[in-house]
Amino acid sequence: AQKVTQAQTEISVVEKEDVTLDCVYETRDTTYYLFWYKQPPSGELVFLIRRNSFDEQNEISGRYSWNFQKSTSSFNFTITASQVVDSAVYFCALSGFETGNQFYFGTGTSLTVIP
Amino acid sequence: DAGITQSPRYKITETGRQVTLMCHQTWSHSYMFWYRQDLGHGLRLIYYSAAADITDKGEVPDGYVVSRSKTENFPLTLESATRSQTSVYFCASSGLAGYNEQFFGPGTRLTVL
Repeated sequence: AQKVTQAQTEISVVEKEDVTLDCVYETRDTTYYLFWYKQPPSGELVFLIRRNSFDEQNEISGRYSWNFQKSTSSFNFTITASQVVDSAVYFCALSGFETGNQFYFGTGTSLTVIP
Repeated sequence: DAGITQSPRYKITETGRQVTLMCHQTWSHSYMFWYRQDLGHGLRLIYYSAAADITDKGEVPDGYVVSRSKTENFPLTLESATRSQTSVYFCASSGLAGYNEQFFGPGTRLTVL
């Protein structure tokens, strides 16, 4: 079965602090993909990153970075020097080769950055 | 404009009524999806489609019907709306393979009274 767990329901940080959002997944697939999406208060879902199961290199994009560790089945997302505009709900998602057309989303982490 | 659009953006209806939510994409993406978003559940897949005239159930299909006669359109129908179907509905599309990132529409907020 495919499952994504985002144990942190809500996080609050003060602006300029670093924050890490956790994502733990379960899958029996050997080929799978992991995703992060951002949902700002306006409600749209914005794609942030995709990572396949064969690429464990960490990814950095500006203030965003992602740490993929197959050994712990985790795909964590770190925001460095957080800003108020980072306030949003962040979703982690998983799709597997055998269920390639279906995304399994976590329940999301609501991040509030306090100015 | 290019992209994925949903209509209506807001809808209030009554229990037992039929409601159709529309989704249109201009990318010629093969795959299209319908999700519902509820507090505490994240996004859950209702139905998806790999191509015109090909649809399949997702995690929570009961009470919903879909069709896809044209690649660009993927309407979702609630045949007899219930209060438990009050939710925000998102349509999404993706390219050739289902493993690609999905691009989401702006959502439809549906309230069933």
